[in-house]
Amino acid sequence: QVQLVQSGAEVKKPGASVKVSCKASGYTFTGYYVHWVRQAPGQGLEWMGWINPNSGGPHFAQKFQGRVTMTRDTSISTAYMELSSLRSDDTAVYYCAREGGDLLRDFDYWGQGTLVTVSS
Amino acid sequence: QAGLTQPPSVSKGLRQTATLTCAGNSNNVGNQGAAWLQQHQGHPPKLLSYRNNNRPSGISERFSASRSGNTASLTITGLQPEDEADYYCSAWDSSLGAWVFGGGTKLTVL
Repeated sequence: QVQLVQSGAEVKKPGASVKVSCKASGYTFTGYYVHWVRQAPGQGLEWMGWINPNSGGPHFAQKFQGRVTMTRDTSISTAYMELSSLRSDDTAVYYCAREGGDLLRDFDYWGQGTLVTVSS
Repeated sequence: QAGLTQPPSVSKGLRQTATLTCAGNSNNVGNQGAAWLQQHQGHPPKLLSYRNNNRPSGISERFSASRSGNTASLTITGLQPEDEADYYCSAWDSSLGAWVFGGGTKLTVL
């Protein structure tokens, strides 16, 4: 069965960087884009960008351009999201999600989420 | 970036029918439709319907999605206590070159 398993919670100071991993299993990792979506406490979902695991090519939401990096390691079917220059309003649960489906692809499987807390 | 518009809350009685709406524009919902996600407190979102209104395997037939113009709808029939959750719509916006979400609707089952 398809599973996305994310790394554990992180606590970071303002100005630092955080790197979250997302290990995929149960499907061909290189066949589906992996997206990153975050959710601030009590708030809605915010799309951050995707990585094409086949080519390694990313595409970011304009808001995060210059501050986010998305990479992957196909040998271990793992995608990574690194966010730099952290601020307190970056405190959120970060999810990875697979873009899958037949005719139109949507976020069909999600990781369990990684809480990133930014606090001095 | 502009998102999709959902009512913040909807309340319906047990075994009743709830219809949730998601308003966008011709670049997102009006173009390829909207997907629907359910999120229970403390859990990741779960896909209920693809943008073509098809349900993923294992999703109850009580959940059905549709679209009229730039507005997508999710209808939940025979409401059960476990349907109480937050519901989000999502769509690809071809003008922004980005995925957009609605702000979410909190469904309360009375």
